Amino acid sequence: NAGVTQTPKFQVLKTGQSMTLQCAQDMNHEYMSWYRQDPGMGLRLIHYSVGAGITDQGEVPNGYNVSRSTTEDFPLRLLSAAPSQTSVYFCGSGSTDTQYFGPGTRLTVL
Amino acid sequence: GNSVTQMEGPVTLSEEAFLTINCTYTATGYPSLFWYVQYPGEGLQLLLKATKADDKGSNKGFEATYRKETTSFHLEKGSVQVSDSAVYFCALSRYNQGGKLIFGQGTELSVKP
Repeated sequence: NAGVTQTPKFQVLKTGQSMTLQCAQDMNHEYMSWYRQDPGMGLRLIHYSVGAGITDQGEVPNGYNVSRSTTEDFPLRLLSAAPSQTSVYFCGSGSTDTQYFGPGTRLTVL
Repeated sequence: GNSVTQMEGPVTLSEEAFLTINCTYTATGYPSLFWYVQYPGEGLQLLLKATKADDKGSNKGFEATYRKETTSFHLEKGSVQVSDSAVYFCALSRYNQGGKLIFGQGTELSVKP
């Protein structure tokens, strides 16, 4: 039982490049989410999903896309990376009122 | 709207000191409340939670009581250790909000031997 896994752990991109942050969970949770962590700002919700095929925007969705084709996976796509997207990204997975988080992806956009 | 406010850090304590990290919230209805901990270089771990008024969450010697009358969920520990050095996040979620958490800004705790 791996819980919530995220890949990669570290990534450096150039402005304008695209990439996908992967997130997978093996706990059969309905709810999955993506947050970004920036100094002094806590974690802010980017996108979330309440089940396969259902996604919605969070507080800071601009510049990010998501899809949820299976219960297990919830990838986050950056279509054209910008320096403002330099951050640590956490994927969450959970039930009605409790979220568990992966180890994070540290992304730097130059 | 819903929000969470934590005391600013960093908080520096000596080993075996008493810890309080204040957390207050603004929310309609009856949110669930959480404390998460982030050890250096790691992800977030759920430390404890409370889902209704007057509930006390506890784990690893940490406690927090859901106080609806003061809209607070202060984190306490009677005797901290160096290994408790971390960033602590208070968070809330509304029932059936699909795991949408609203976080405070985090409080860094440093415990010196």
